[in-house]
Amino acid sequence: GQNIDQPTEMTATEGAIVQINCTYQTSGFNGLFWYQQHAGEAPTFLSYNVLDGLEEKGRFSSFLSRSKGYSYLLLKELQMKDSASYLCAVVDSNYQLIWGAGTKLIIKP
Amino acid sequence: GAVVSQHPSWVICKSGTSVKIECRSLDFQATTMFWYRQFPKQSLMLMATSNEGSKATYEQGVEKDKFLINHASLTLSTLTVTSAHPEDSSFYICSAASVSGSDYEQYFGPGTRLTVT
Repeated sequence: GQNIDQPTEMTATEGAIVQINCTYQTSGFNGLFWYQQHAGEAPTFLSYNVLDGLEEKGRFSSFLSRSKGYSYLLLKELQMKDSASYLCAVVDSNYQLIWGAGTKLIIKP
Repeated sequence: GAVVSQHPSWVICKSGTSVKIECRSLDFQATTMFWYRQFPKQSLMLMATSNEGSKATYEQGVEKDKFLINHASLTLSTLTVTSAHPEDSSFYICSAASVSGSDYEQYFGPGTRLTVT
């Protein structure tokens, strides 16, 4: 079957760095998305990786290793507003989105 | 986590016809369902929010007469794309949410790929 794994919850301190991991087993791969979602709001796009390597975008970076079925989202200089759920989603060979359950990130002062 | 299904997973239709997409929450009662569309490599775009038994609330720029949403029960919502045109070709994703006090859960369906020829 198809599966996306990410930690359920993580806690970090304001100003610090946190890495949220995502591992996947899917039938084919056509890219991986990271989304941020605050409770009660629509998810917002953070990144899209289709090739191996690290992509940096401001305080957020996303890494992909297709051979390992692994991605991570790196958040630097954490701010209180970064407290949210972070969703990992993989596009499979049928162009279906396979969603992870999301990682709830709690930022403490 | 809870399971949300969508049917069909993909559909091809001719321009001018209507297409209905179903979204079901299989093991929990969804007080709210969201409909999104997503173009390749782009973010999810919220189209509308619907609460069971109420009219859907559409986001700015989304035509309510073109994208008909019905949320008949706590486990089923439908999106009907009326008089579809090629520019309506997109990936439509539903999400089912359950709000109970301070607890909030939201689960996404697998999406429906619509191609209008």
